[in-house]
Amino acid sequence: RKEVEQDPGPFNVPEGATVAFNCTYSNSASQSFFWYRQDCRKEPKLLMSVYSSGNEDGRFTAQLNRASQYISLLIRDSKLSDSATYLCVVSLNTGNQFYFGTGTSLTVIP
Amino acid sequence: SAVISQKPSRDICQRGTSLTIQCQVDSQVTMMFWYRQQPGQSLTLIATANQGSEATYESGFVIDKFPISRPNLTFSTLTVSNMSPEDSSIYLCSVGDNRDIIKAFFGQGTRLTVV
Repeated sequence: RKEVEQDPGPFNVPEGATVAFNCTYSNSASQSFFWYRQDCRKEPKLLMSVYSSGNEDGRFTAQLNRASQYISLLIRDSKLSDSATYLCVVSLNTGNQFYFGTGTSLTVIP
Repeated sequence: SAVISQKPSRDICQRGTSLTIQCQVDSQVTMMFWYRQQPGQSLTLIATANQGSEATYESGFVIDKFPISRPNLTFSTLTVSNMSPEDSSIYLCSVGDNRDIIKAFFGQGTRLTVV
């Protein structure tokens, strides 16, 4: 079983739409959770950390459910520039264990 | 966050040869890692580069194939040895920023094609 599982998509949504991505992780000892964004032919870049209380950064909202081992990312009012692959990342905080999901592809259509 | 410079950004190499990828960070970092991202796949950790000692390799990766150096806290190299077409991939250097919770930051990646 993979450490982190995501729906690969693709998600094709119109501008202005709201889209949600989900991710599950298998190791209950996981301590830190993140969403990364990866543009085509670019390196992954940290989008936001995910906290147990949930957190929001502008149009982006991340949620963590430790009991269900489930992470989500909600993007409101989608922009063309949101088109990318979104990677769910989990860490054990032991120094070197970052586990990456396969990524969810999003295309925002004019 | 740390600024990470990785080079070369891309290369096309003949099978049987070796390529060394460099990763330079603008500040001292405790943790440096090397990842591989094959086409259409997510990132797979190759090894943790340890300053002053041998790298720690993940299952499926060995030092003879992927020798790693880390002479100081700002620099590391990954060599892909005796390359075959199956080694064609993106190789990414990553550093851990542990000022609050540990986060991973990446170099621009090296796109390797083996012919």
